[in-house]
Amino acid sequence: EAQVTQNPRYLITVTGKKLTVTCSQNMNHEYMSWYRQDPGLGLRQIYYSMNVEVTDKGDVPEGYKVSRKEKRNFPLILESPSPNQTSLYFCASRTSLGGNTIYFGEGSWLTVV
Amino acid sequence: KNQVEQSPQSLIILEGKNCTLQCNYTVSPFSNLRWYKQDTGRGPVSLTIMTFSENTKSNGRYTATLDADTKQSSLHITASQLSDSASYICVVSAIGTASKLTFGTGTRLQVTL
Repeated sequence: EAQVTQNPRYLITVTGKKLTVTCSQNMNHEYMSWYRQDPGLGLRQIYYSMNVEVTDKGDVPEGYKVSRKEKRNFPLILESPSPNQTSLYFCASRTSLGGNTIYFGEGSWLTVV
Repeated sequence: KNQVEQSPQSLIILEGKNCTLQCNYTVSPFSNLRWYKQDTGRGPVSLTIMTFSENTKSNGRYTATLDADTKQSSLHITASQLSDSASYICVVSAIGTASKLTFGTGTRLQVTL
């Protein structure tokens, strides 16, 4: 079954404590990306990766880092989380062809206090 | 600036009735338009993808239309069911920017008895 798996699904953390949200896909997709979803706003892209070792900033990259050492994994790193990073985060993947279906993970609810 | 606007923001209909959701976009040059269904707290799930040359695409009781001249799309839901209660998100991408998607803020649909 085609899957994008994120962990953790729910997390409450404190300001400044580094955390990593993992993302893994089993479809051998080249392209992966991270989004955040906030009330009243559409999904906004944080970072994306066109393939292994190729990453680039999206629309709201401040305060986040990513890495793409393997094709299947694309972790999102918050080095020093702040309350304005409280949000619902989604990882997504697709093939390199732009018109193909994008598969989203189930989301990670992150609260920074 | 690329934008996607959806209307209405929210909608309540009785089970069994039909409804139509609207999406207007200013993304240019246009590549494709997708409709997604997002259950509360879950990841978006693809309903349809349409390119410039397609005016209609169906997926079961969901039918999407596209008018590339007026830059409008609609999603028609036939014989609604309680399980159709969700947010419906319109997503547009531009040629040459396959990695960048512009998301609408969604229409929240509630189907009641």
